[in-house]
Amino acid sequence: DTGVSQDPRHKITKRGQNVTFRCDPISEHNRLYWYRQTLGQGPEFLTYFQNEAQLEKSRLLSDRFSAERPKGSFSTLEIQRTEQGDSAMYLCASSLGRGSQPQHFGDGTRLSIL
Amino acid sequence: AQKVTQAQTEISVVEKEDVTLDCVYETRDTTYYLFWYKQPPSGELVFLIRRNSFDEQNEISGRYSWNFQKSTSSFNFTITASQVVDSAVYFCALSVPLSGGYNKLIFGAGTRLAVHP
Repeated sequence: DTGVSQDPRHKITKRGQNVTFRCDPISEHNRLYWYRQTLGQGPEFLTYFQNEAQLEKSRLLSDRFSAERPKGSFSTLEIQRTEQGDSAMYLCASSLGRGSQPQHFGDGTRLSIL
Repeated sequence: AQKVTQAQTEISVVEKEDVTLDCVYETRDTTYYLFWYKQPPSGELVFLIRRNSFDEQNEISGRYSWNFQKSTSSFNFTITASQVVDSAVYFCALSVPLSGGYNKLIFGAGTRLAVHP
């Protein structure tokens, strides 16, 4: 399978705990995006990487959120001191680095905060 | 500001009926792209189509067709002879180039389509 892979699929944690999600993009894609999707809504942009450089961060990404993409391959999204409002589906997407190429999404990580 | 509106929250049809999903967008940019994605219950967003702002030709792919009209800022999606497997949430999205040559997608709230046997 050469699609975008996300791990874990589901994460249940208590409020105040830290969580980390991983995304493995399609291998030849140098652009990587994170989105957040809450129930009944469309995905909302969080951040973007061009290779290993984080070039754009949404205002949705508070200082409790941090994302990395070491060596321009896989990416991690960490949420510190989780809050109830962080409960959502976190989606990763990747695309080729030309123009407005289609973004290909993974299955997402569903985060539930108890 | 860029915005995508999908006014239909839920649509329910019986198998073999034709169904049209509406999408209206707002942007001040002259160059932009429009997309449709399908999100089945499994959660993965599946890319269906990309259309750029300079190409107003309608497109047909099997049972799927898309009608892009710049005059009304609409990019509607029609499924002909719907099937149960078409049941999913469908998202329309707008992509606007940003500095650095990359883009981010702005999604509508989605339309949940239920096709009943």
